[in-house]
Amino acid sequence: DVVMTQSPLSLPVTLGQPASISCRSSQSLVHSDGNTYFNWFQQRPGQSPRRLIYKVSNRESGVPDRFSGSGSGTDFTLKISRVEAEDVGVYYCMQGTHWPWTFGQGTKVDIK
Amino acid sequence: EVQLVESGGGLVQPGGSLRVSCAVSGFTFSRFWMSWVRQAPGKGLEWVANIKEDGSEKYYVDSVKGRFTISRDNAKNSLYLQMNTLRAEDTAVYYCASTTRGGGWDHWGQGTLVTVSS
Repeated sequence: DVVMTQSPLSLPVTLGQPASISCRSSQSLVHSDGNTYFNWFQQRPGQSPRRLIYKVSNRESGVPDRFSGSGSGTDFTLKISRVEAEDVGVYYCMQGTHWPWTFGQGTKVDIK
Repeated sequence: EVQLVESGGGLVQPGGSLRVSCAVSGFTFSRFWMSWVRQAPGKGLEWVANIKEDGSEKYYVDSVKGRFTISRDNAKNSLYLQMNTLRAEDTAVYYCASTTRGGGWDHWGQGTLVTVSS
């Protein structure tokens, strides 16, 4: 199975400041169809997960533009340009290129 | 409004069986792959199983292969997960999800708790 490794695992942030989370996969996430099925999910406290970013850099409908994704191959990044209080939660990277789909360990974002 | 509602969770003894269900409404269920994802208490997310629109393809994480079976009934707009030979490490909230890897579609239920304990 593809192993997804996130860093850091804990990220205290100051409101209004930027934040960045990295994710590395154990093998390339480029699918034979040319797409890279790499995603970022957010799970707020007490809530179900929701996807923020799909195919590396595309925001789901309704996701604020302060969230952005980048990367290629095996290295990916999620950036929050200015952290807001509602961004507190755990962020997971996830690959959908290879079966079975796999998540990273999660990065807990909270306010300093 | 899209809704996914899980049910069937509960307490079961090690070695026992349980079937959890997911009732779907608000979209054409038969047109989408469906998934089960679980989360052990205080832990991260783990993708458990996927099933194709017509049920012809199924994929499982290694830890549940041979013990869990994903299935669907498109006439009833329902997704199922039959769990046999349950272990303590299967204790988790089980989420039903409809999410396309190509993006633009992502919906989750609220989850149902399965506890495996004597």
